[in-house]
Amino acid sequence: AQTVTQSQPEMSVQEAETVTLSCTYDTSESDYYLFWYKQPPSRQMILVIRQEAYKQQNATENRFSVNFQKAAKSFSLKISDSQLGDAAMYFCAYRRGSDSGGGADGLTFGKGTHLIIQP
Amino acid sequence: NAGVTQTPKFRILKIGQSMTLQCTQDMNHNYMYWYRQDPGMGLKLIYYSVGAGITDKGEVPNGYNVSRSTTEDFPLRLELAAPSQTSVYFCASSPRWGNTGELFFGEGSRLTVL
Repeated sequence: AQTVTQSQPEMSVQEAETVTLSCTYDTSESDYYLFWYKQPPSRQMILVIRQEAYKQQNATENRFSVNFQKAAKSFSLKISDSQLGDAAMYFCAYRRGSDSGGGADGLTFGKGTHLIIQP
Repeated sequence: NAGVTQTPKFRILKIGQSMTLQCTQDMNHNYMYWYRQDPGMGLKLIYYSVGAGITDKGEVPNGYNVSRSTTEDFPLRLELAAPSQTSVYFCASSPRWGNTGELFFGEGSRLTVL
C-alpha cells in the first residue's frame, strides 16, 4: 500500500517570505501522480499543483513550485512571496496512474501541514 | 458550474440514528469517492465506485454503506450512528479517461454524533 508522510504539523512564515513544505511517499509503482491540495477554513479542497511521475521537470504554478525527487521519493512544495490568503492546511497526496491500475481507488493523503502567515 | 454537490452541509445525529449523505456530480465522471476527515488528520477513503452498479471498500468502510444506481449519484448511508463517526465527509469524483489524476471535491458535510 502507498503511504504519504508530512513531517511538519505546522509551519509559520512572514508575509512576502518563502516557505517550503515537505512530503515523502512510499510506492513500488512507476506510474503515478503527486498533488498538493490547499484546505482553507472554508473546508473546500483546492488543487494547488500536480506532478506526473514520468516528467522530470518540476511543476510550477505562479508562486507555487515543487521539488520532485523521484529516487528519494520526495515531493516538497515551495511557496514564494507568501500572502495572507495562503494560510491554510496543505495536504500532499498520491494517486496511481493508468499504467499502475488506473488509480480507481483515488488519492492517498498525508496528515497535512498547517501553514500560518505572519503579517 | 455545479461540479460535485453534497447535502446536507451540517447535521447533528443522536447515537443509533440513521442518515444518508447525498452526493451528485454533473461532470459525467465514472469514478466517485467518499472520504472522511477527522481533526488534525488527512482524508481517509471510506468507499469508492468506478461506475454505476460497482462499489468497493476503502480504508475505513465499517459502519457505512453506499450504492451507485446512476453515474451522477453516490449516496453514503450511516445505519447506526456512533460518536466515532463524528467527522467531516467529502465526496469527490474524477473521469476515467483523459484522466489528469486530480479529484474534484464537494464542499464537505460536517456530521456530529451525540
